[in-house]
Amino acid sequence: SAVISQKPSRDICQRGTSLTIQCQVDSQVTMMFWYRQQPGQSLTLIATANQGSEATYESGFVIDKFPISRPNLTFSTLTVSNMSPEDSSIYLCSVLGPSSYEQYFGPGTRLTVT
Amino acid sequence: DAKTTQPTSMDCAEGRAANLPCNHSTISGNEYVYWYRQIHSQGPQYIIHGLKNNETNEMASLIITEDRKSSTLILPHATLRDTAVYYCIVTSTGANSKLTFGKGITLSVRP
Repeated sequence: SAVISQKPSRDICQRGTSLTIQCQVDSQVTMMFWYRQQPGQSLTLIATANQGSEATYESGFVIDKFPISRPNLTFSTLTVSNMSPEDSSIYLCSVLGPSSYEQYFGPGTRLTVT
Repeated sequence: DAKTTQPTSMDCAEGRAANLPCNHSTISGNEYVYWYRQIHSQGPQYIIHGLKNNETNEMASLIITEDRKSSTLILPHATLRDTAVYYCIVTSTGANSKLTFGKGITLSVRP
């Protein structure tokens, strides 16, 4: 399995500002994913981030709003830009395990936008 | 990816088996059945997956019907720590693997 950490664990931000969330994995992985979980809802995939290529965004998510970096095989960042209260969610990263079957999730970053 | 249908909630007594059903009638031949769970305030946790044969690991058993249109996740001896939302997901594997989470089923294990 993979051990994943995220920073920050939670934050309260003002509207109009941006927050960068970090995801660190204890082993090298090819595929990383970013999800959003709005209050009381299920998880929604934002984008897939492969090292060495541009992130692939799902319908309804755009790079200008959620820029993603993937500088190496153990690290990725997701930025939530120009935040509004509707961006208040838990943001989670995950990685595809070495067998390419299962995904391992980080603990999430709880974001509140006021 | 094929869509899944799960009951909204169920409960079971601690120590008893919990059988969680899932319908996936539009599953295609190369899609696997996955189960994840999310304990409150934590990230989802992988439980098990299968293609067409029944599977068992240290956490659970997965029973897939012969026509692959439905499956059942079995927690053989449920504990209070198994209280969580359980997601049944149908998807491909590897580079094509994308998890589309539905609402899942909330399992409550009572003492």
